[in-house]
Amino acid sequence: KNEVEQSPQNLTAQEGEFITINCSYSVGISALHWLQQHPGGGIVSLFMLSSGKKKHGRLIATINIQEKHSSLHITASHPRDSAVYICAARRGSQGNLIFGKGTKLSVKP
Amino acid sequence: DSGVTQTPKHLITATGQRVTLRCSPRSGDLSVYWYQQSLDQGLQFLIQYYNGEERAKGNILERFSAQQFPDLHSELNLSSLELGDSALYFCASSVLVGTEQFFGPGTRLTVL
Repeated sequence: KNEVEQSPQNLTAQEGEFITINCSYSVGISALHWLQQHPGGGIVSLFMLSSGKKKHGRLIATINIQEKHSSLHITASHPRDSAVYICAARRGSQGNLIFGKGTKLSVKP
Repeated sequence: DSGVTQTPKHLITATGQRVTLRCSPRSGDLSVYWYQQSLDQGLQFLIQYYNGEERAKGNILERFSAQQFPDLHSELNLSSLELGDSALYFCASSVLVGTEQFFGPGTRLTVL
């Protein structure tokens, strides 16, 4: 079993839909990262959180430390949101990350 | 643009060869991380440096080595290359250990 699990693996949505991607982890963490990887391969850091909730534009990330679970929400989804979303856990004081396998999101117009 | 640069963008080489991947972190960032992304393994942490010193090691093969230089740029050396080493290699940097990481565009290595 992977230390960081994401669901769903693939997600297809219609433009405008509310989207949720889930991430569960089985290890103690110091922070949880959400990353976005575009078809060209580049990786962009969306959020880093260790508690509560963060919002940036149409993106919201939440984390529940007790339940070892995080969610990434996209409101009013748009085709340009189509990408692979990856959650990654940071353990301890070192910065290295343990990655989930990613959720491939496709938003249709 | 994250401010992290990686060269080269693409690299095609043969089995048994040695290559060097280069990473320049964002201005002011002291920590550099190397990650490998392959189709079957996904993203994996290789090694981390902070201000010139190795801080953490992940699933890095003995054939691979890295260093961070006094000007803070880093190089990842891959030797005795095998077909399975074909992957995207990302470098990321952060101001301090444990702060938000910014990823470079990656180097796509193809071993034929």
